[in-house]
Amino acid sequence: ETGVTQTPRHLVMGMTNKKSLKCEQHLGHNAMYWYKQSAKKPLELMFVYNFKEQTENNSVPSRFSPECPNSSHLFLHLHTLQPEDSALYLCASSQDGQEVEKLFFGSGTQLSVL
Amino acid sequence: GNSVTQMEGPVTLSEEAFLTINCTYTATGYPSLFWYVQYPGEGLQLLLKATKADDKGSNKGFEATYRKETTSFHLEKGSVQVSDSAVYFCAPRYNTDKLIFGTGTRLQVFP
Repeated sequence: ETGVTQTPRHLVMGMTNKKSLKCEQHLGHNAMYWYKQSAKKPLELMFVYNFKEQTENNSVPSRFSPECPNSSHLFLHLHTLQPEDSALYLCASSQDGQEVEKLFFGSGTQLSVL
Repeated sequence: GNSVTQMEGPVTLSEEAFLTINCTYTATGYPSLFWYVQYPGEGLQLLLKATKADDKGSNKGFEATYRKETTSFHLEKGSVQVSDSAVYFCAPRYNTDKLIFGTGTRLQVFP
């Protein structure tokens, strides 16, 4: 148990569906991150939130919409996804947005887009 | 831009074999260097790190030495176990304070 919980563990959705991924951290951290892990590709940083404010968006398509209502919760809202969006989506948190080596990761949501 | 290159997997070894997973990084400035490990069904976790040239990071029997002259940070272990089966990520951190992860190298250890 790393203190970062992601739900659901697996998600299958059609291209017209709307779904949300949830991440919750129990570590008292103030920075949260979304990463995308695809086979044979580098792990991609998608979004960074620091004290609930989005501080980084790495040119992610608008069909991915993050939400951070407080420092403990992070959502990724999905709509009209494409099959190439199928991947493992990892949430992470850290105590300070600067100390990135102290990232704590969740187990991820394995997303399949049909 | 800055980047990192890891050897392609999977790396398949018998228990007690010697392990090397190669990693090279872009020689821009003096990044800190990290190895992360992802066990099956889990997220990534920090394995070891080195912050300056010639430093050696070590943890759980794994070692990696920061080689500035070859811009490398190869991961080694003298005797692997089945429980070491996982995906290993090399990740430099440049002045941007963001880690740049590689593609990951899958290690499979058989009894």
